[in-house]
This record gives sequence, C-alpha cells and structure tokens, in this order.
Amino acid sequence: GAVVSQHPSRVICKSGTSVKIECRSLDFQATTMFWYRQFPKQSLMLMATSNEGSKATYEQGVEKDKFLINHASLTLSTLTVTSAHPEDSSFYICSASLPDRPSTDTQYFGPGTRLTVL
Amino acid sequence: DAKTTQPNSMESNEEEPVHLPCNHSTISGTDYIHWYRQLPSQGPEYVIHGLTSNVNNRMASLAIAEDRKSSTLILHRATLRDAAVYYCILSGGSNYKLTFGKGTLLTVNP
Repeated sequence: GAVVSQHPSRVICKSGTSVKIECRSLDFQATTMFWYRQFPKQSLMLMATSNEGSKATYEQGVEKDKFLINHASLTLSTLTVTSAHPEDSSFYICSASLPDRPSTDTQYFGPGTRLTVL
Repeated sequence: DAKTTQPNSMESNEEEPVHLPCNHSTISGTDYIHWYRQLPSQGPEYVIHGLTSNVNNRMASLAIAEDRKSSTLILHRATLRDAAVYYCILSGGSNYKLTFGKGTLLTVNP
C-alpha cells in the first residue's frame, strides 16, 4: 500500500518552455502532497506543501509564479516549471501523507522526475 | 526544526547487522523519529518511525534511547540492496514537514 507515482520519469526540454510533472497517489487519497527538489550530491529541499482544493504553501526562496502547483483532486498534484532554464535542471520528487495519520508525518515518495533543461 | 546528527558514511559487510546512529538532543516531546532511505536516482523510501518505544517492522528495527536524545536504526542482515543514504528526521505536532539533512551513506561490501 501507499504507492506514489510520478510522470514523466525523465524529461528534457529547451530553455524557455514549460514542463508539467504529475504526482499520483495510487492506492490512497492524499489530502496533503509535498514537492521537493534535489540537486546532484545534495539532500532533498522542500519546495512547497500542497493541500487538495487550496493554494500551495511555498518555502522561502521558492518562486510561486515559476513553480505552479495544482492539487485538484485527492489523488493528483501537478508541478509546472514555467519558462524553464538550465539552472532548473534537477531531480523533482513528490510525496504524500496518509490522511488518517497526519500527525505521524510519515510521507510516501514518488520515484522522482529528472528534468534537464538545455 | 529540531536537528539530527548522523555520521556521513558507514560501511558494512553483506549479511552482517548494521547499526546506524542518530543524535537528536533537542527533540521535543511531540517529535516522531523517522527514518527514510534513498537509493541512487530514486525517491526516498520510508523505513520506520517511532515515538518512545522501540519499533520493529519487516525492513528494520528502531531502538530509541530512554531520554529520546538518540536512536539507532538496525538492519539485521545487510544486503547489497540496502546500500543507500539513510536519513534520520524529526517531525511532529502541527508541522507536517520533513527536513532532510545529509544522512548517512551506507556502503555494503559483498
């Protein structure tokens, strides 16, 4: 149980284009999803917290107009990197917490999306 | 956020037990202790979590010190597939965030 998928697993795009990454909870409903970014040889950095039906909460230093997050249903959250540039190249990972046990803060992670901006 | 301290790296031999330490001297009474691991080019994987009592699951055991200022993740028989970065993270209360540190890179030798 508690499986999270991401699509695509890998994407290469040209500078200036927008890229959408999907995150789905496959066997549970996730009221809260999280988006992380990981640069090579570094740890995960939380970008934003997404609650179903409401606006995402972004971490300090993360541009909300550049990284658009939509959490329209209890099983799907999307991250759109708008006008991507080479410095946005990174490993993007989503996670979801179980709705009946939010207080334990256990999160289940997707496999990640490798974004390369040329 | 309460901080954790882990060794940068550890090495183990296959089929031997591994004890991964974590210090968290500023832990609060409501903080849960979480362990995740991340294999190369993959998302993190939940391993185990606990509050006060020791915990066991099919993947590992978590031993929590009586004062809760430290904990140890125990892999009973390491396999090559256990080679990963292991993260010890505190989280609790109304803050659902997980703050990842650098973790411990576990190398398992055949």
